[in-house]
Amino acid sequence: QSVLTQPPSASGTPGQRVTISCSGSSSNIGSNTVNWYQQLPGTAPKLLIYNNNQRPSGVPDRLSGSKSGTSASLAISGLQSEDEADYYCAAWDDSLNGLVFGGGTKLTVL
Amino acid sequence: EVQLVESGGGLVKPGGSLRLSCAASGFTFTNAWMTWVRQAPGKGLEWVGRIKSKTDGGTTDYAAPVKGRFTISRDDSKNTLYLQMNSLKTEDTAVYYCTTALAPTGGGMDVWGQGTTVTVSS
Repeated sequence: QSVLTQPPSASGTPGQRVTISCSGSSSNIGSNTVNWYQQLPGTAPKLLIYNNNQRPSGVPDRLSGSKSGTSASLAISGLQSEDEADYYCAAWDDSLNGLVFGGGTKLTVL
Repeated sequence: EVQLVESGGGLVKPGGSLRLSCAASGFTFTNAWMTWVRQAPGKGLEWVGRIKSKTDGGTTDYAAPVKGRFTISRDDSKNTLYLQMNSLKTEDTAVYYCTTALAPTGGGMDVWGQGTTVTVSS
């Protein structure tokens, strides 16, 4: 059982907007920033969002992140087939003194 | 080119040991905080631990499931990160990635190796 809670799956049709949630607690999301990673099948994870809502160079602006209290979310607009992947949220946990990940959300583009 | 290349994975019996290496290139390894993340077959990402740069103390932090069994170290002269794994259990079977935050991403890890597979089985 993961410390951060994500829905196991999400789906949408091309062009749609989908949102993936990530729920934590005061010791992780509530007091630290959230990062989001994308993992395509058989590949290493890729950083998509850092510091709750910042995009690294090269990540398109149709991806956005937000945080409120002890929850965070990743939004993908203009859904494309290449967005089909697993998505993970992560945050430092002050109580555990370690990085915690969500269980991952498998995004399917219908 | 910035690169992390893991090696040392393989098949080991429960109770055995294995040492993974991660060779870094294309950036100033000495300044980097390095992290190990693993992924069991069909499962999600799990943080294993990290080591700070020597200038920041060189200290280590570990996840509870591996604390006391795994040791992270670094050889800055060889630009190499290590993960010594002892008393291995079947639940340690996973792909092990080394990773780091190079850009100013607030700790978000933007450079990853390709991973090395560890299988613990009798």
